Amino acid sequence: GAGVSQTPSNKVTEKGKYVELRCDPISGHTALYWYRQSLGQGPEFLIYFQGTGAADDSGLPNDRFFAVRPEGSVSTLKIQRTERGDSAVYLCASSPGRGVTDTQYFGPGTRLTVL
Amino acid sequence: QQQVKQSPQSLIVQKGGISIINCAYENTAFDYFPWYQQFPGKGPALLIAIRPDVSEKKEGRFTISFNKSAKQFSLHIMDSQPGDSATYFCAASTGNQFYFGTGTSLTVIP
Repeated sequence: GAGVSQTPSNKVTEKGKYVELRCDPISGHTALYWYRQSLGQGPEFLIYFQGTGAADDSGLPNDRFFAVRPEGSVSTLKIQRTERGDSAVYLCASSPGRGVTDTQYFGPGTRLTVL
Repeated sequence: QQQVKQSPQSLIVQKGGISIINCAYENTAFDYFPWYQQFPGKGPALLIAIRPDVSEKKEGRFTISFNKSAKQFSLHIMDSQPGDSATYFCAASTGNQFYFGTGTSLTVIP
């Protein structure tokens, strides 16, 4: 079956612009995670959804970052007033939502470059 | 502050050799410890994971050793193959928050 997909694969924007990054999880997965991976680093937790609600958004670095998942499937990560420091690969992962030991299936990521 | 410390940063092993990657943590609330494998341009993929109530878990050529008292865990790759060349991340979680190490770039020389 289809895995987690993320679009776009690459996004180049200018400092100060607004961007949206999309994640399509595996069908039926109720848990969805967003991570940010900077060059040479491990993924950094941003936000976790269980169904439609953001169960844990404590990893969002500031109020310029926001994520939604209105119908409990597709999620969009929104970044306002982008800064050069936001440049990274943004990863999405989904899991069945049965518990914390569920396997997280990662998408290929969106590489965001802020000029 | 790095919640999970991983070493070495890079590792070169001959084909057939054993690759060993180490991780350490401080937060005793962590209760799940997965290892991920990542190839360039791809997202991480779960390799093997362990809960703190066991000291070792083996799946094929991959083994996790877990030392709860020392708050350390390690990944051993037996009979390393060139196809194992990738970046490996350890992670630790409590609740639904996952903390990743900084990664180890493994190169297996034919």
